[in-house]
Amino acid sequence: GDSVTQMEGPVTLSEEAFLTINCTYTATGYPSLFWYVQYPGEGLQLLLKATKADDKGSNKGFEATYRKETTSFHLEKGSVQVSDSAVYFCALIEGGAQKLVFGQGTRLTINP
Amino acid sequence: GAVVSQHPSWVICKSGTSVKIECRSLDFQATTMFWYRQFPKQSLMLMATSNEGSKATYEQGVEKDKFLINHASLTLSTLTVTSAHPEDSSFYICSASGTYNEQFFGPGTRLTVL
Repeated sequence: GDSVTQMEGPVTLSEEAFLTINCTYTATGYPSLFWYVQYPGEGLQLLLKATKADDKGSNKGFEATYRKETTSFHLEKGSVQVSDSAVYFCALIEGGAQKLVFGQGTRLTINP
Repeated sequence: GAVVSQHPSWVICKSGTSVKIECRSLDFQATTMFWYRQFPKQSLMLMATSNEGSKATYEQGVEKDKFLINHASLTLSTLTVTSAHPEDSSFYICSASGTYNEQFFGPGTRLTVL
């Protein structure tokens, strides 16, 4: 079945550091890929998405590129802020399917 | 973007009582709604998928009689935790999707069973 694997957390960085959170996936078809962010005590918010190979999703300084050859969708940000502290989930959905498949989540803490 | 609300945002109840959680799509028609459960510091576990006007489809291992899901209209789904026990304490999150299949998530409901 489809699956998503994220780098294990927690990840702790200093403000203005470069961020990478790795995400790889296994899917039988051509999924759409997502990054969601969950702030403490809240539900999930869509951060960015990509629907086909080589697409780059971007939002709030975060970027991720859909790499079919390496089945990856790594999340990056050039300079993190304290307000980026949250849990980040990588997810996929197969074309035509309804069910999102989530990675295990990566907790990110940014220290001032 | 589309807005999904949940009510209540938190609830505390006694063991053996039932609790109903509402999920509403505020500005779009949700043909499909999803219910997730999230344990502390863990990922989301899909409990069930419901399409408006039909019975919910439960994931393996989720008790249908324990977690009753109703999706009676295109803007409202409810999850009722029946005869709740402390092990049912968790964070419950709903999501809704409409025409374009993208899921929009509610803010979650924290259930504590004493």
